[in-house]
Amino acid sequence: SAVISQKPSRDICQRGTSLTIQCQVDSQVTMMFWYRQQPGQSLTLIATANQGSEATYESGFVIDKFPISRPNLTFSTLTVSNMSPEDSSIYLCSTGLAGNEQFFGPGTRLTVL
Amino acid sequence: GENVEQHPSTLSVQEGDSAVIKCTYSDSASNYFPWYKQELGKGPQLIIDIRSNVGEKKDQRIAVTLNKTAKHFSLHITETQPEDSAVYFCAATPYNQGGKLIFGQGTELSVKP
Repeated sequence: SAVISQKPSRDICQRGTSLTIQCQVDSQVTMMFWYRQQPGQSLTLIATANQGSEATYESGFVIDKFPISRPNLTFSTLTVSNMSPEDSSIYLCSTGLAGNEQFFGPGTRLTVL
Repeated sequence: GENVEQHPSTLSVQEGDSAVIKCTYSDSASNYFPWYKQELGKGPQLIIDIRSNVGEKKDQRIAVTLNKTAKHFSLHITETQPEDSAVYFCAATPYNQGGKLIFGQGTELSVKP
């Protein structure tokens, strides 16, 4: 398994601002994923972040709104840009291991006013 | 693309009874099916998984069954305990799509003492 930490654990932000969420893994991993979980809903994949290449975004998510960095094999960041109240969600990072297992961080609970 | 349907959305059982949650998927090429438990304020926790070459897998009180022909898989929890109360998500990994997970809508399980 993998142990994943996220910072911040929660934040309250004003509309129009940006927030960068950090994800740290306790071991080197090739694949990292970012998901969004809107209130009371399931998880939706935002993008896949592999070290050394551009992130791959899912339909409905764009790089200008959710820029991602993946500087090494243990760390990634997701920025939520120009926030609106509709961006209020839990943002989760996960890491994929060789056998397809994915382990999730504790999440970042974002409220946009 | 892959679509995962999960039922029921809520499930209430008495302590000691069994609970069954069912999921169907659309992409016959999907080959990995995990189940996650999410407690309030926490990230999803992988509790059991099954691959497409296996029909059933058991781990103590939990088991998962897979019917590839019908494209459905189920989570079975026996001898339920109050600490089993949580939201459970099924997911599927489409073949050759970088390991991403497509989630079901979630089931809120309540175990009454």
